[in-house]
Amino acid sequence: AQTVTQSQPEMSVQEAETVTLSCTYDTSENNYYLFWYKQPPSRQMILVIRQEAYKQQNATENRFSVNFQKAAKSFSLKISDSQLGDTAMYFCAFMTLKGTSYGKLTFGQGTILTVHP
Amino acid sequence: SQTIHQWPATLVQPVGSPLSLECTVEGTSNPNLYWYRQAAGRGLQLLFYSVGIGQISSEVPQNLSASRPQDRQFILSSKKLLLSDSGFYLCAWSGRNYGYTFGSGTRLTVV
Repeated sequence: AQTVTQSQPEMSVQEAETVTLSCTYDTSENNYYLFWYKQPPSRQMILVIRQEAYKQQNATENRFSVNFQKAAKSFSLKISDSQLGDTAMYFCAFMTLKGTSYGKLTFGQGTILTVHP
Repeated sequence: SQTIHQWPATLVQPVGSPLSLECTVEGTSNPNLYWYRQAAGRGLQLLFYSVGIGQISSEVPQNLSASRPQDRQFILSSKKLLLSDSGFYLCAWSGRNYGYTFGSGTRLTVV
């Protein structure tokens, strides 16, 4: 079974600065998807960014980018020019594309990010 | 556009009472549907998923059950709630692009 580990329970950053959230995962699969989700205080889960494992190029969405290291099974999220609205819990998630578990997401335990003015 | 509706938003139920949470999806057909539980504001645990009408897979043995009576309707139920069933429940659907869309969640407190 896949596991996803987020080793930083909490992080903080000053507004306009850059912060990186860490995520590692364990799998024997070669093809899969990785995601970062944001959960603000409203608790709505919002997709931040997605990475296909077969793509070497790191995904980017505006101020959000990832550093995907497939061999190391590492998938970190970098938030540039942090804004107060980025304050939320961030979840790393792994999607299997294999067998009867196809399409299921496994989540990490989350990192609470606080952006200070 | 696709939307997902989940209700109720908040629920307080006594121990031993039944439970029914409902989730419906609009704007798509034959979605994969999921129920997740989030305890103590931390990670999400997959409870049930469904790839079609009447097809339910359970991830963890528990006091809960799920049903999919229609293509875009997913129901989470319990005959007798336990204190340990308290938590935040999220419904989600996924389509061909592998993206998950989550409902707004139900905060369940069992007292």
